[in-house]
Amino acid sequence: DVKVTQSSRYLVKRTGEKVFLECVQDMDHENMFWYRQDPGLGLRLIYFSYDVKMKEKGDIPEGYSVSREKKERFSLILESASTNQTSMYLCASSRPGGDWGGYTFGSGTRLTVV
Amino acid sequence: DQQVKQNSPSLSVQEGRISILNCDYTNSMFDYFLWYKKYPAEGPTFLISISSIKDKNEDGRFTVFLNKSAKHLSLHIVPSQPGDSAVYFCAARKDSGYSTLTFGKGTMLLVSP
Repeated sequence: DVKVTQSSRYLVKRTGEKVFLECVQDMDHENMFWYRQDPGLGLRLIYFSYDVKMKEKGDIPEGYSVSREKKERFSLILESASTNQTSMYLCASSRPGGDWGGYTFGSGTRLTVV
Repeated sequence: DQQVKQNSPSLSVQEGRISILNCDYTNSMFDYFLWYKKYPAEGPTFLISISSIKDKNEDGRFTVFLNKSAKHLSLHIVPSQPGDSAVYFCAARKDSGYSTLTFGKGTMLLVSP
């Protein structure tokens, strides 16, 4: 069964900590994405990557960075966690273009910053 | 600027009846539209999609209709079942290269027995 795996379901971190959220996919997809989901705001794109070592900013990149050293792994980094980064974080992957089946999402990481 | 809009935050339907979820978009460059279903504490799962060159796509109880001139799409669920209770997100793709999706804010569907 193909899937996207996020390493943690729940995380609690302190303000100012550096936080790493890990995502691994086993579908050999080129594209990987990080979204956050907040009530009343839907899913908002933070960063995405279309190839190893390549990254592009999404709609809300401030306070975040990413790393993609291997095709299957895409990490989201909160450089200095703040309470307004408390959210559900969703990783997704897809192949590019054409007749397309959309994203496959991971189960999400619920991050609480205290 | 919200490019994908789901104007109904919630919808309540009785089991066996039709559920109709609506979505409007503003960007005429969108070429592909999708619906995702999300249960609490889980990631969204793909439900159904439609290319901009079509006006209807059907998969079992789920049908998506696209009206390009009105920049409107809708998801019909017939018959609705209590297990369909979830948040439904409409999403649109702008290009086939990076394939980034823009999501609406979601509609929470509650199907009561």
